[in-house]
Amino acid sequence: QKEVEQDPGPLSVPEGAIVSLNCTYSNSAFQYFMWYRQYSRKGPELLMYTYSSGNKEDGRFTAQVDKSSKYISLFIRDSQPSDSATYLCAMSKAAGNKLTFGGGTRVLVKP
Amino acid sequence: GAVVSQHPSWVICKSGTSVKIECRSLDFQATTMFWYRQFPKQSLMLMATSNEGSKATYEQGVEKDKFLINHASLTLSTLTVTSAHPEDSSFYICSARASGPTGGLFTEAFFGQGTRLTVV
Repeated sequence: QKEVEQDPGPLSVPEGAIVSLNCTYSNSAFQYFMWYRQYSRKGPELLMYTYSSGNKEDGRFTAQVDKSSKYISLFIRDSQPSDSATYLCAMSKAAGNKLTFGGGTRVLVKP
Repeated sequence: GAVVSQHPSWVICKSGTSVKIECRSLDFQATTMFWYRQFPKQSLMLMATSNEGSKATYEQGVEKDKFLINHASLTLSTLTVTSAHPEDSSFYICSARASGPTGGLFTEAFFGQGTRLTVV
């Protein structure tokens, strides 16, 4: 079993819909949680980061962390075709530690 | 966010030759840099952790003598693929974590654009 599980998709939604992404993890030591967006043949771009449990909102993006369930989510409101990409969750046990990535979910937003 | 520049963005080399990839943090000092490898439609696989002024820490299964990492300054790390073979063809990505004010409390990692290596 992988430490971080993420549905590979593809997740196809119509433009304007809410995109809902999630990751589950097995190691309760993870404390820092991040979401990255990666376009084809590009490096990942940091979208959101959170520490421990709770919610965080930034524009159209909302990140949620539920440490008791070992479950994190990313929501994208008013999705646009330009949001079509692979979304990777990542987490680490302590500040400065290496990141453990999920496998990524491919998202397609259709006009 | 902070900017990490990786060069070259793509390279084609002959089997048996060596290729050097550079990773620079442009607007912050990076005490730690990470090198990843990514195969098509797969996630990032950590190869090694590079700390400025010390030897890199390699992940299990990664050949130290084949993938040479140098982190000579707080803004530059290099990955050299030595005696490259076609199976080394992949997408290589670096990331950097900032030290000081730019890093913030949560030490998020910023990624370079990636380098596509093709060995023929």
